[in-house]
Amino acid sequence: GAVVSQHPSWVICKSGTSVKIECRSLDFQATTMFWYRQFPKQSLMLMATSNEGSKATYEQGVEKDKFLINHASLTLSTLTVTSAHPEDSSFYICSARDLTGTEQFFGPGTRLTVL
Amino acid sequence: GQNIDQPTEMTATEGAIVQINCTYQTSGFNGLFWYQQHAGEAPTFLSYNVLDGLEEKGRFSSFLSRSKGYSYLLLKELQMKDSASYLCAVMDSNYQLIWGAGTKLIIKP
Repeated sequence: GAVVSQHPSWVICKSGTSVKIECRSLDFQATTMFWYRQFPKQSLMLMATSNEGSKATYEQGVEKDKFLINHASLTLSTLTVTSAHPEDSSFYICSARDLTGTEQFFGPGTRLTVL
Repeated sequence: GQNIDQPTEMTATEGAIVQINCTYQTSGFNGLFWYQQHAGEAPTFLSYNVLDGLEEKGRFSSFLSRSKGYSYLLLKELQMKDSASYLCAVMDSNYQLIWGAGTKLIIKP
């Protein structure tokens, strides 16, 4: 099956710093990538949808200036959490959709802890 | 609005059968997915239904009725490793996945 990787797997940072998370589709081209956030014991919350070469579409309530998304190639999307605060601590998961446009393949997730 | 409903939690016994239901109301329909998510891990794909009927894949089966806006995931011969959350998601007319809150399945010996 299709493989999506995320890096780093976990990160601990100080409040006020920025953190970049990478999402890569390893064996297929992903025209669309999705970024989710999941708080403990809650379901996935879609943050934004990113299409290669264009600006990301953010869900209501998600600050685009705080969560910067770049999808520069068909295999890489990045999420940068700028000026992170403790309330940004969460499990961030990316997924990628292939050209057939149906199934989404999930990365393993990145656990962010902001001190 | 769009809505996916599934039970919050279910408990079953090792070796038994359990059925997890999902009802949905979405703007358009391009298929229904079931994912399994263990604590602290990302979801993994279990099944995809776009036509009515039952799809069987080993110990797991998924059923869809589009006219009723209803699906279920059937797990047979339950094993302890099946303890996880099971997420129902519907792809709407914009090819966006609408997620249910997940059903936490607890397997007891």
